[in-house]
Amino acid sequence: ETGVTQTPRHLVMGMTNKKSLKCEQHLGHNAMYWYKQSAKKPLELMFVYSLEERVENNSVPSRFSPECPNSSHLFLHLHTLQPEDSALYLCASSQVTGYDTDTQYFGPGTRLTVL
Amino acid sequence: AQKITQTQPGMFVQEKEAVTLDCTYDTSDQSYGLFWYKQPSSGEMIFLIYQGSYDEQNATEGRYSLNFQKARKSANLVISASQLGDSAMYFCAMREGWPSGSARQLTFGSGTQLTVLP
Repeated sequence: ETGVTQTPRHLVMGMTNKKSLKCEQHLGHNAMYWYKQSAKKPLELMFVYSLEERVENNSVPSRFSPECPNSSHLFLHLHTLQPEDSALYLCASSQVTGYDTDTQYFGPGTRLTVL
Repeated sequence: AQKITQTQPGMFVQEKEAVTLDCTYDTSDQSYGLFWYKQPSSGEMIFLIYQGSYDEQNATEGRYSLNFQKARKSANLVISASQLGDSAMYFCAMREGWPSGSARQLTFGSGTQLTVLP
């Protein structure tokens, strides 16, 4: 595997379900991100982890719970979601060095539909 | 005020022609980075090109070049010799501040849907 991978690619869940999205990066990066992309809206940052520590949380509802067990893996745990949470969820990673471009590389996304 | 503005919701270009996608940005930081990404219908966001605010020359990557006009706060993407596979959504994004050893968010524009015609 190369780059950033995400599973599953598609997910349909009911409002009472609990599910998790998984992201894995094979680039040796030290920062990982979750973004939400809703129809006709710009990408919104949800969470940032740098060196496995959460450094930013953009006031995301508590029904979204991130987990970063190590620098290569990132999870987004979902529970009691609402239909408006249906979106494409993108994971990204970057190498934060203090002198480089900090380019973020994205995975293919998980397209989530909440019924 | 929006930090990244892409005023062209949709663009059409003939195959093998060049096309310019517009992007203007708003920041009070002296140090920042500008990125362009391509998103095909499959959903993956593909990094294309980067321009740092202190870079004196316009960035180029193969058929992609960035027309950086700092005083006008614009960072337009130029795609030369368009190919059918270039049809996709294109996003301009900005990282404010100099790389500092801390992860920083990217702020994205609303995107431009490019269609390359045969």
